[in-house]
Amino acid sequence: GQQVMQIPQYQHVQEGEDFTTYCNSSTTLSNIQWYKQRPGGHPVFLIQLVKSGEVKKQKRLTFQFGEAKKNSSLHITATQTTDVGTYFCLTTDSWGKLQFGAGTQVVVTP
Amino acid sequence: EPEVTQTPSHQVTQMGQEVILRCVPISNHLYFYWYRQILGQKVEFLVSFYNNEISEKSEIFDDQFSVERPDGSNFTLKIRSTKLEDSAMYFCASSEGAGWAYEQYFGPGTRLTVT
Repeated sequence: GQQVMQIPQYQHVQEGEDFTTYCNSSTTLSNIQWYKQRPGGHPVFLIQLVKSGEVKKQKRLTFQFGEAKKNSSLHITATQTTDVGTYFCLTTDSWGKLQFGAGTQVVVTP
Repeated sequence: EPEVTQTPSHQVTQMGQEVILRCVPISNHLYFYWYRQILGQKVEFLVSFYNNEISEKSEIFDDQFSVERPDGSNFTLKIRSTKLEDSAMYFCASSEGAGWAYEQYFGPGTRLTVT
């Protein structure tokens, strides 16, 4: 069945640094969504990517969907303490099956 | 801003008991979901519901689980004969359209503790 891998599982970032988290699927995806979950909170939608090679930006966040629609990345520039949380990808495969990645837990030190 | 609500926020139950977790999705949304998150782990899809029937379910969603939309506003998850390993945070979510194409709005969750 479909396997979704998210790397890294844990990211320790100094405030002001950049980092990237990746979501990789074993199968071609229909689309991918990114969610953020603050400590003790619930997932909150960030963005959806549908087209091959699509790139979307939200302020300091840049989201990219791979050409083969099997992987995606989230890049955050100039990390702030408000970026703390776990970032999950939610994938949908060709059969409509939903699957969350394991998430990247981000810790930011001032 | 409309939001998904869930009750109770915390439920403690004894092993073998039945629990019902309640959710009120956003009023104009058509698709509803249940997810669970065991402490420190990823969010796991349980089931999606549309037009008063299950549209998709995961391997986790076995005969122990059932969902219902008893009226026009509530969406419930029933867990029969609870086990220790059912202890987790259960999130309800809703979306305007199919979850693969539309943003899902999550509720605050119900923490289930099975003792």
